[in-house]
Amino acid sequence: KAGVTQTPRYLIKTRGQQVTLSCSPISGHRSVSWYQQTPGQGLQFLFEYFSETQRNKGNFPGRFSGRQFSNSRSEMNVSTLELGDSALYLCASRPGLAGDTQYFGPGTRLTVL
Amino acid sequence: SQQGEEDPQALSIQEGENATMNCSYKTSINNLQWYRQNSGRGLVHLILIRSNEREKHSGRLRVTLDTSKKSSSLLITASRAADTASYFCATDASHGAQKLVFGQGTRLTINP
Repeated sequence: KAGVTQTPRYLIKTRGQQVTLSCSPISGHRSVSWYQQTPGQGLQFLFEYFSETQRNKGNFPGRFSGRQFSNSRSEMNVSTLELGDSALYLCASRPGLAGDTQYFGPGTRLTVL
Repeated sequence: SQQGEEDPQALSIQEGENATMNCSYKTSINNLQWYRQNSGRGLVHLILIRSNEREKHSGRLRVTLDTSKKSSSLLITASRAADTASYFCATDASHGAQKLVFGQGTRLTINP
């Protein structure tokens, strides 16, 4: 099976802009989670989607949002970008919700200037 | 905030030696997972150990879990230069939100 794919791999934006990142899970996986990784805060959970519904949300401002489509592909959106949003955004998928291994994609490196 | 605390933060050893990394966590868990990350890239899943397991092996990897102490260790035997990476433990809590909570990671350097 193909692994988790994320597009784009690299992105440069300026403050105030918005950005949309895309994630395609492993075939058959219905859960998609998003994580932000920064040198200062490490890996932090953003949200998880299962069957097109947001199941969990991390402690991030409302500028961070996401959605999941019927084919389990997911997008996350960050509006009104700030310098501090520069990070590696990682997507992970798993077959169900609890107790399964999460498989990660290569990430999208977002730089905000 | 991170639930996991990893120790040491950085480890440098010679090729062929064994490397041990430790992870402590705070809440009850369903399982604990170890991941590897090479320099700014995606996370590679190494091993998952469930709360009712005490030890698990996968190739050169050995993971232990002590739920009474809320701690885990990852042992890499006969290290190779290709093992140079950051290693993270992540806990899947048994109550509350179903999400992985990561430690800060251990940066492992294998010197040839």
